[in-house]
Amino acid sequence: AQSVTQPDIHITVSEGASLELRCNYSYGATPYLFWYVQSPGQGLQLLLKYFSGDTLVQGIKGFEAEFKRSQSSFNLRKPSVHWSDAAEYFCALYNTNAGKSTFGDGTTLTVKP
Amino acid sequence: SAVISQKPSRDICQRGTSLTIQCQVDSQVTMMFWYRQQPGQSLTLIATANQGSEATYESGFVIDKFPISRPNLTFSTLTVSNMSPEDSSIYLCSVQILAGLPDTQYFGPGTRLTVL
Repeated sequence: AQSVTQPDIHITVSEGASLELRCNYSYGATPYLFWYVQSPGQGLQLLLKYFSGDTLVQGIKGFEAEFKRSQSSFNLRKPSVHWSDAAEYFCALYNTNAGKSTFGDGTTLTVKP
Repeated sequence: SAVISQKPSRDICQRGTSLTIQCQVDSQVTMMFWYRQQPGQSLTLIATANQGSEATYESGFVIDKFPISRPNLTFSTLTVSNMSPEDSSIYLCSVQILAGLPDTQYFGPGTRLTVL
Protein backbone atom coordinates (compact mmCIF):
# COMPACT_ATOMS: atom_id res chain seq x y z
CA ALA A 1 0.00 0.00 0.00
CA GLN A 2 1.16 3.50 -0.67
CA SER A 3 1.85 6.01 2.06
CA VAL A 4 3.28 9.45 2.61
CA THR A 5 5.07 10.36 5.82
CA GLN A 6 5.98 13.82 6.98
CA PRO A 7 8.06 13.16 10.08
CA ASP A 8 7.98 16.71 11.40
CA ILE A 9 4.65 17.86 12.76
CA HIS A 10 5.84 21.35 13.58
CA ILE A 11 8.96 23.29 12.61
CA THR A 12 10.02 26.72 13.77
CA VAL A 13 12.66 28.72 11.92
CA SER A 14 13.88 32.29 12.13
CA GLU A 15 13.13 34.64 9.29
CA GLY A 16 16.00 34.55 6.83
CA ALA A 17 17.10 31.08 7.86
CA SER A 18 17.04 28.10 5.55
CA LEU A 19 14.27 25.54 5.63
CA GLU A 20 13.93 21.86 4.87
CA LEU A 21 10.69 19.94 5.25
CA ARG A 22 10.90 16.20 5.01
CA CYS A 23 8.68 13.86 3.04
CA ASN A 24 9.08 10.12 2.69
CA TYR A 25 6.90 7.92 0.54
CA SER A 26 6.17 4.28 0.00
CA TYR A 27 4.95 3.25 -3.43
CA GLY A 28 5.67 0.30 -5.67
CA ALA A 29 5.63 2.13 -8.97
CA THR A 30 6.87 5.41 -10.41
CA PRO A 31 6.02 8.10 -7.88
CA TYR A 32 4.33 11.31 -8.88
CA LEU A 33 4.95 13.73 -6.03
CA PHE A 34 3.59 17.10 -5.03
CA TRP A 35 4.06 19.73 -2.38
CA TYR A 36 1.12 21.95 -1.44
CA VAL A 37 0.90 24.87 0.96
CA GLN A 38 -2.14 25.89 2.97
CA SER A 39 -2.20 29.35 4.48
CA PRO A 40 -4.57 29.96 7.38
CA GLY A 41 -8.18 29.98 6.26
CA GLN A 42 -7.28 29.02 2.70
CA GLY A 43 -7.39 25.98 0.50
CA LEU A 44 -4.26 24.21 -0.66
CA GLN A 45 -2.06 25.66 -3.37
CA LEU A 46 0.49 23.76 -5.42
CA LEU A 47 4.12 24.69 -4.74
CA LEU A 48 5.78 22.21 -7.08
CA LYS A 49 5.57 18.72 -8.49
CA TYR A 50 7.84 15.95 -9.69
CA PHE A 51 6.87 13.55 -12.45
CA SER A 52 10.16 12.65 -14.11
CA GLY A 53 13.43 14.08 -15.35
CA ASP A 54 15.61 16.40 -13.30
CA THR A 55 15.36 15.33 -9.69
CA LEU A 56 15.67 18.91 -8.43
CA VAL A 57 12.47 20.77 -9.17
CA GLN A 58 11.78 24.44 -8.77
CA GLY A 59 8.49 25.79 -7.57
CA ILE A 60 6.78 29.02 -6.75
CA LYS A 61 7.75 31.40 -3.96
CA GLY A 62 11.42 30.34 -4.11
CA PHE A 63 10.81 26.75 -3.04
CA GLU A 64 12.57 23.72 -4.47
CA ALA A 65 12.42 20.01 -3.80
CA GLU A 66 14.76 17.13 -4.49
CA PHE A 67 13.56 13.67 -5.40
CA LYS A 68 15.80 10.90 -4.10
CA ARG A 69 14.63 7.48 -5.20
CA SER A 70 17.23 5.64 -3.11
CA GLN A 71 15.88 7.29 0.02
CA SER A 72 12.22 7.38 -1.03
CA SER A 73 12.23 11.05 -0.19
CA PHE A 74 11.01 14.30 -1.67
CA ASN A 75 12.18 17.03 0.69
CA LEU A 76 11.15 20.63 0.29
CA ARG A 77 13.70 23.41 0.74
CA LYS A 78 13.97 27.15 0.75
CA PRO A 79 17.25 29.02 1.26
CA SER A 80 15.79 32.00 3.10
CA VAL A 81 12.41 31.91 4.80
CA HIS A 82 10.07 34.89 4.87
CA TRP A 83 7.44 35.56 7.53
CA SER A 84 4.76 35.01 4.91
CA ASP A 85 5.90 31.40 4.51
CA ALA A 86 4.27 30.51 7.83
CA ALA A 87 1.67 27.92 6.83
CA GLU A 88 0.85 24.24 6.69
CA TYR A 89 2.75 22.19 4.12
CA PHE A 90 1.51 18.94 2.66
CA CYS A 91 3.37 16.36 0.63
CA ALA A 92 1.25 14.21 -1.69
CA LEU A 93 1.71 11.12 -3.82
CA TYR A 94 -0.47 10.33 -6.81
CA ASN A 95 -1.62 6.73 -7.17
CA THR A 96 -2.06 6.03 -10.87
CA ASN A 97 -4.09 2.88 -10.25
CA ALA A 98 -6.54 4.59 -7.95
CA GLY A 99 -6.57 7.87 -9.87
CA LYS A 100 -6.19 9.99 -6.77
CA SER A 101 -3.59 11.35 -4.36
CA THR A 102 -2.59 10.43 -0.84
CA PHE A 103 -1.61 13.32 1.41
CA GLY A 104 0.83 13.35 4.29
CA ASP A 105 -0.25 14.60 7.69
CA GLY A 106 1.31 17.98 7.07
CA THR A 107 4.03 20.09 8.68
CA THR A 108 3.19 23.37 10.35
CA LEU A 109 5.83 26.01 9.77
CA THR A 110 6.22 28.87 12.23
CA VAL A 111 8.54 31.73 11.32
CA LYS A 112 10.14 33.72 14.14
CA PRO A 113 10.94 37.38 13.54
CA SER B 1 -5.78 26.00 -13.89
CA ALA B 2 -9.09 26.20 -12.08
CA VAL B 3 -10.63 28.65 -9.66
CA ILE B 4 -13.00 27.16 -7.12
CA SER B 5 -15.54 28.85 -4.91
CA GLN B 6 -17.41 27.29 -2.03
CA LYS B 7 -20.54 28.32 -0.22
CA PRO B 8 -20.98 28.84 2.63
CA SER B 9 -17.53 29.76 3.84
CA ARG B 10 -18.52 28.87 7.38
CA ASP B 11 -21.57 27.86 9.36
CA ILE B 12 -22.65 26.95 12.84
CA CYS B 13 -25.32 24.28 12.94
CA GLN B 14 -27.38 22.45 15.48
CA ARG B 15 -27.07 18.76 16.12
CA GLY B 16 -29.40 16.67 13.97
CA THR B 17 -29.71 19.16 11.14
CA SER B 18 -28.19 18.98 7.66
CA LEU B 19 -26.01 21.38 5.70
CA THR B 20 -25.41 21.48 1.97
CA ILE B 21 -22.11 22.85 0.73
CA GLN B 22 -21.78 24.08 -2.82
CA CYS B 23 -18.69 23.95 -4.99
CA GLN B 24 -18.47 25.96 -8.22
CA VAL B 25 -15.56 25.75 -10.67
CA ASP B 26 -14.78 28.33 -13.31
CA SER B 27 -14.11 25.72 -15.98
CA GLN B 28 -15.19 22.23 -16.89
CA VAL B 29 -13.22 19.59 -15.03
CA THR B 30 -13.27 15.84 -15.07
CA MET B 31 -12.50 15.00 -11.48
CA MET B 32 -14.06 16.56 -8.41
CA PHE B 33 -13.30 15.47 -4.87
CA TRP B 34 -14.63 16.24 -1.43
CA TYR B 35 -12.26 16.19 1.55
CA ARG B 36 -12.63 16.62 5.26
CA GLN B 37 -9.90 18.30 7.26
CA GLN B 38 -10.33 18.08 10.99
CA PRO B 39 -8.52 20.59 13.19
CA GLY B 40 -4.78 20.12 13.02
CA GLN B 41 -5.06 17.08 10.79
CA SER B 42 -4.47 16.15 7.21
CA LEU B 43 -6.99 15.79 4.44
CA THR B 44 -9.28 12.78 4.39
CA LEU B 45 -10.95 11.99 1.10
CA ILE B 46 -14.69 11.57 1.51
CA ALA B 47 -15.66 10.78 -2.06
CA THR B 48 -15.12 11.42 -5.73
CA ALA B 49 -18.05 13.23 -7.30
CA ASN B 50 -18.91 11.69 -10.66
CA GLN B 51 -20.82 13.67 -13.24
CA GLY B 52 -24.11 12.00 -14.06
CA SER B 53 -23.68 9.05 -11.73
CA GLU B 54 -23.38 8.19 -8.06
CA ALA B 55 -20.34 9.37 -6.18
CA THR B 56 -17.58 6.96 -5.25
CA TYR B 57 -17.15 6.89 -1.49
CA GLU B 58 -14.04 6.08 0.49
CA SER B 59 -14.00 3.55 3.28
CA GLY B 60 -15.77 4.91 6.33
CA PHE B 61 -18.01 7.32 4.42
CA VAL B 62 -21.53 6.48 3.25
CA ILE B 63 -24.01 8.09 0.93
CA ASP B 64 -26.72 8.40 3.57
CA LYS B 65 -24.48 10.58 5.70
CA PHE B 66 -22.73 12.50 2.90
CA PRO B 67 -24.96 12.61 -0.18
CA ILE B 68 -23.23 14.22 -3.14
CA SER B 69 -24.61 15.61 -6.34
CA ARG B 70 -22.77 16.56 -9.50
CA PRO B 71 -25.21 17.70 -12.16
CA ASN B 72 -22.56 19.03 -14.56
CA LEU B 73 -18.82 19.46 -15.05
CA THR B 74 -18.56 22.71 -13.08
CA PHE B 75 -20.71 22.20 -10.00
CA SER B 76 -21.12 19.81 -7.08
CA THR B 77 -22.76 19.74 -3.68
CA LEU B 78 -21.95 17.85 -0.52
CA THR B 79 -24.57 17.46 2.18
CA VAL B 80 -23.60 16.64 5.73
CA SER B 81 -26.69 14.94 7.14
CA ASN B 82 -27.94 14.46 10.67
CA MET B 83 -24.96 16.31 12.01
CA SER B 84 -23.22 15.67 15.30
CA PRO B 85 -20.35 17.58 16.94
CA GLU B 86 -17.95 15.01 15.46
CA ASP B 87 -18.77 16.44 12.03
CA SER B 88 -17.21 19.76 12.98
CA SER B 89 -14.49 20.17 10.42
CA ILE B 90 -13.34 22.01 7.33
CA TYR B 91 -14.80 20.59 4.14
CA LEU B 92 -12.77 21.14 0.99
CA CYS B 93 -13.77 20.79 -2.61
CA SER B 94 -10.96 19.91 -5.00
CA VAL B 95 -10.73 19.38 -8.73
CA GLN B 96 -8.34 17.78 -11.13
CA ILE B 97 -8.58 18.73 -14.76
CA LEU B 98 -7.22 15.48 -16.19
CA ALA B 99 -8.64 12.08 -15.32
CA GLY B 100 -6.55 8.98 -14.87
CA LEU B 101 -3.26 10.86 -15.07
CA PRO B 102 -1.12 12.51 -12.42
CA ASP B 103 -2.16 16.13 -12.29
CA THR B 104 -2.30 19.13 -10.04
CA GLN B 105 -5.28 19.37 -7.73
CA TYR B 106 -6.92 22.72 -7.21
CA PHE B 107 -8.68 23.41 -3.95
CA GLY B 108 -11.48 25.65 -2.86
CA PRO B 109 -11.10 27.84 0.22
CA GLY B 110 -13.06 25.40 2.34
CA THR B 111 -16.23 25.47 4.43
CA ARG B 112 -15.66 25.63 8.15
CA LEU B 113 -18.47 23.78 9.90
CA THR B 114 -19.15 23.87 13.61
CA VAL B 115 -21.85 21.60 15.03
CA LEU B 116 -23.22 22.40 18.47
